[in-house]
Amino acid sequence: GEDVEQSLFLSVREGDSSVINCTYTDSSSTYLYWYKQEPGAGLQLLTYIFSNMDMKQDQRLTVLLNKKDKHLSLRIADTQTGDSAIYFCAEYGGYQKVTFGIGTKLQVIP
Amino acid sequence: DVKVTQSSRYLVKRTGEKVFLECVQDMDHENMFWYRQDPGLGLRLIYFSYDVKMKEKGDIPEGYSVSREKKERFSLILESASTNQTSMYLCASSLRGNEQYFGPGTRLTVT
Repeated sequence: GEDVEQSLFLSVREGDSSVINCTYTDSSSTYLYWYKQEPGAGLQLLTYIFSNMDMKQDQRLTVLLNKKDKHLSLRIADTQTGDSAIYFCAEYGGYQKVTFGIGTKLQVIP
Repeated sequence: DVKVTQSSRYLVKRTGEKVFLECVQDMDHENMFWYRQDPGLGLRLIYFSYDVKMKEKGDIPEGYSVSREKKERFSLILESASTNQTSMYLCASSLRGNEQYFGPGTRLTVT
């Protein structure tokens, strides 16, 4: 079945760039997503990329997609303490089915 | 903005009790979902609904049932709560099933 893998933890200094990586297995994925979850809250949709795109930029966020390697990354420029959260990668393979990774906890050190 | 609300943020129930978790969305979305989130396991889909009175099992439906009598409301029911159902429960809604919008979650403790 579909699988989405992420590393569990990332620590960066405030002001540096953060790069969170994800790999997925479903080659028929049409959309890939990044969600953010702050402590005690639900998931918030941050950004998404369509499978025929290589890159998408939205202010401090850059999403890169390597479809050949089934690799997705989220770069956060000028990381702030407010960016500390868990980031989930997710892929949509059709029929209302979204598969989520287990989440990467980003710790921003002041 | 899409708004998804859940009836409780925190809930404590006893083993064997019947538990209802309610979710309401205000964007006329066709699809609604119930997930549970556990440390180290990520989000796991319990059930989803693609229309009123329609439901489909997700990856872990055992011990749960759902009800969707109105388009905006999707209920998760634990017929007889057990301690292994202690978890964070997240509801989501979506227009086409792909871009999902989440509620704030209900942290359920079963003692």
